[in-house]
Amino acid sequence: KAGVTQTPRYLIKTRGQQVTLSCSPISGHRSVSWYQQTPGQGLQFLFEYFSETQRNKGNFPGRFSGRQFSNSRSEMNVSTLELGDSALYLCASSLAGATLAKNIQYFGAGTRLSVL
Amino acid sequence: AQKVTQAQTEISVVEKEDVTLDCVYETRDTTYYLFWYKQPPSGELVFLIRRNSFDEQNEISGRYSWNFQKSTSSFNFTITASQVVDSAVYFCALSEGRAAGNKLTFGGGTRVLVKP
Repeated sequence: KAGVTQTPRYLIKTRGQQVTLSCSPISGHRSVSWYQQTPGQGLQFLFEYFSETQRNKGNFPGRFSGRQFSNSRSEMNVSTLELGDSALYLCASSLAGATLAKNIQYFGAGTRLSVL
Repeated sequence: AQKVTQAQTEISVVEKEDVTLDCVYETRDTTYYLFWYKQPPSGELVFLIRRNSFDEQNEISGRYSWNFQKSTSSFNFTITASQVVDSAVYFCALSEGRAAGNKLTFGGGTRVLVKP
């Protein structure tokens, strides 16, 4: 069974540009979450999507947005890039059971974004 | 609000030594889940173990074992007879039961270096 696939693996952008990252979850998984990892702030939750709806959102500015498609694939977008957005962006997928069940999240290898 | 603290930033051991990673968490929920993930240099977070707050039974799985103590809000993880392949960053994470979804709050991580 294929794991979580993130594309692209590496990306270089300049300040002010926008970027779109893609995540394909494990087959059958309906929940997709995004995390940002930086040396200074560590791993921080961005948002979670389930059935094409945002279910949870972290404490990030509106420049960070996402969406989920009917096949559970997800994209996240960052507009007006800043130097501080340089990070490893990780996507995780999980089975979505009862609303309060905490399913295991399986992570992709991430997209490393560098903003120059 | 939830919080996870991993006081050890880096641990260096010689192969075959045991390694214990500390994790202390804070939450107001009575129902919650705790996780350990491993992040090798490739960047992908690899799931290791999950416990829920109602199950304090400590277990051993292969070379991994964990010690969950609600009284001290700790969820420590031990690697027995460490191997070079265990070199990675290990993260402890918490998911609160009150809210729907799978949001994970991570600790800062502990880098483990196993020398041959």
